[in-house]
Parts: sequence; structure tokens; C-alpha cells
Amino acid sequence: EAGVVQSPRYKIIEKKQPVAFWCNPISGHNTLYWYLQNLGQGPELLIRYENEEAVDDSQLPKDRFSAERLKGVDSTLKIQPAELGDSAVYLCASSSPLGLADTGELFFGEGSRLTVL
Amino acid sequence: DAKTTQPPSMDCAEGRAANLPCNHSTISGNEYVYWYRQIHSQGPQYIIHGLKNNETNEMASLIITEDRKSSTLILPHATLRDTAVYYCIVRGYNTDKLIFGTGTRLQVFP
Repeated sequence: EAGVVQSPRYKIIEKKQPVAFWCNPISGHNTLYWYLQNLGQGPELLIRYENEEAVDDSQLPKDRFSAERLKGVDSTLKIQPAELGDSAVYLCASSSPLGLADTGELFFGEGSRLTVL
Repeated sequence: DAKTTQPPSMDCAEGRAANLPCNHSTISGNEYVYWYRQIHSQGPQYIIHGLKNNETNEMASLIITEDRKSSTLILPHATLRDTAVYYCIVRGYNTDKLIFGTGTRLQVFP
């Protein structure tokens, strides 16, 4: 079974440029998460989707960050314009239809490492 | 969700048991204890979770104290591949949100 797939794995851009990250969750997982991980810190939730609906986006900086999950499967996270402080790893995760009450498990991708120069 | 406290780092000799403590003194009755680990340059990986009883799976054992204010993750025979950051997380029953702290960096040495 394929895991959570993210791309690109690495991205280097100059500040003020736009950037987008893509995530394909595990087949059948209707809950999708985007996390941000700064160096030496644990992951921080940015947004959570149930199917195509964003049910928790309270931590998403909406002035420059946006996300979408149009058909309730793949998702894209965009930053425009990027700032130096956005350099981090962006992690995508998914969970089964019963959510954490089922197996108690989030499945994470390998992450997309962003460097803003 | 209750806050957790973990030591920032630990060492363990290969082949020995690694015992990783976690304090969650403000945990409430319907909150679960989760453990995840993150190997360098990978996403976090689920290890185990529990509510009140001790739990064991193919990866590890979870020991929760009777008052539920602390727990210990046990890797019975640590290998070099167990070198990672280990996160202890408390999750409320009615939420699908996992809040990660800074974890414990476990270094397994030969």
C-alpha cells in the first residue's frame, strides 16, 4: 500500500516568490492534515480537512498561506509571497475514515523542505 | 488537551532497553496517550497509544501509571535504527488533533 506522497521533497526559492506543495494521501483516507515543522521543534498543525472541507484552519496564516483540497483527495498548500521565516519542513498526513478513534494513527509523508533565501 | 513534559535527550546502548518517560500530570479521564517517533528527514511515525491499561505491540510497550499522570515508552532491545526524536502526545477523545511538543531525542550507541 502506498503511503502519503508529497512533492517536491526540496524547494529553494528567493523571498517574495510563490511556492506550492502537493500531497496525495493514502487511498480512502478522508482526513488530511498539513503541519509545519521548524528546525528542532515538533510539527505544528496548519490546517485539517475532512474530505474537501477545511474543518480547522485556525493556525493557518491566511495573509500569505492558502490550501485547497478540491475533490477531497489531493491537496495543495501555497505560500505567496514567501518570507525568510517560512523556511521549514511542510508535512502532510492523513487518517482513516474513523479518524483517530479507529487506529489512533496519523500517517505522515516525508515532508517538503523549503528554504527561502 | 493536556500538556506533556519529556526530557530533551537520552542515550541508550544498543541491545539494551530504552525507557522514555513522559509526564502528563493534567491529563483528564478521557484523554489518550500517544507516542510517535521521527527519524531524521522523515515524517513522524506512530508507535503506540493507550488510555488506562498498559499496551504492547511489535514496536514497543507503553506503561501508564495508575493515576495516569505519567507514562513510559519502552523499546525492549534498542537498535541503532531506533535513534530518533520521540514525541509523547495527549489527545482528547473528541478531537482529531495531535499537538506535538519538542520530544525526546534518543541516541542509541553501539
